[in-house]
Amino acid sequence: AQSVTQLGSHVSVSEGALVLLRCNYSSSVPPYLFWYVQYPNQGLQLLLKYTTGATLVKGINGFEAEFKKSETSFHLTKPSAHMSDAAEYFCAVRPSNTGNQFYFGTGTSLTVIP
Amino acid sequence: DAMVIQNPRYQVTQFGKPVTLSCSQTLNHNVMYWYQQKSSQAPKLLFHYYDKDFNNEADTPDNFQSRRPNTSFCFLDIRSPGLGDAAMYLCATSRVRLGDNEQFFGPGTRLTVL
Repeated sequence: AQSVTQLGSHVSVSEGALVLLRCNYSSSVPPYLFWYVQYPNQGLQLLLKYTTGATLVKGINGFEAEFKKSETSFHLTKPSAHMSDAAEYFCAVRPSNTGNQFYFGTGTSLTVIP
Repeated sequence: DAMVIQNPRYQVTQFGKPVTLSCSQTLNHNVMYWYQQKSSQAPKLLFHYYDKDFNNEADTPDNFQSRRPNTSFCFLDIRSPGLGDAAMYLCATSRVRLGDNEQFFGPGTRLTVL
């Protein structure tokens, strides 16, 4: 079975500082990987996804993530945090070889300190 | 713009009084999902439709039902809401069940049970 681990349920960074949100997955076959952002009382919005090809993926709002097969990780980064980045971030995986379900991590709440 | 629409955004019901949540999509996607999301938790998949094929998750209570009368619309029926059913309900769509297709989420309906 797939599982997704997001280390750190709460992360605080200063405005302008580096954002690093961690995601690890367990799967014998590399899955498709996604990062979603959720603002209060809203649905989830796709930030970026990795399917195949280049392991460094760029998304919206200046975010990027790198797929590292050897570490089974897909960490999300942004060089300089903005106040508008404060939100809940979910990592999700989808098996590449079978099944149809998305498996979500438990989420990381990002606080940006002025 | 193509999108996923949920109505209403906020729903208040009484304990035991049936309630229906609505989702529509203009994306013409084959798959529609219903998730339940409680505070500070990841979305939990309740069920999904692939075209007219209904797929229930094993741990979804019988109290939750769904209908998909056509490609565009999907409904979530809660037959006898309990206090524990108070949550955000998210509708999502994807073009197909397999592969690298991401899910597109609606803004959610926040259900309050009095």
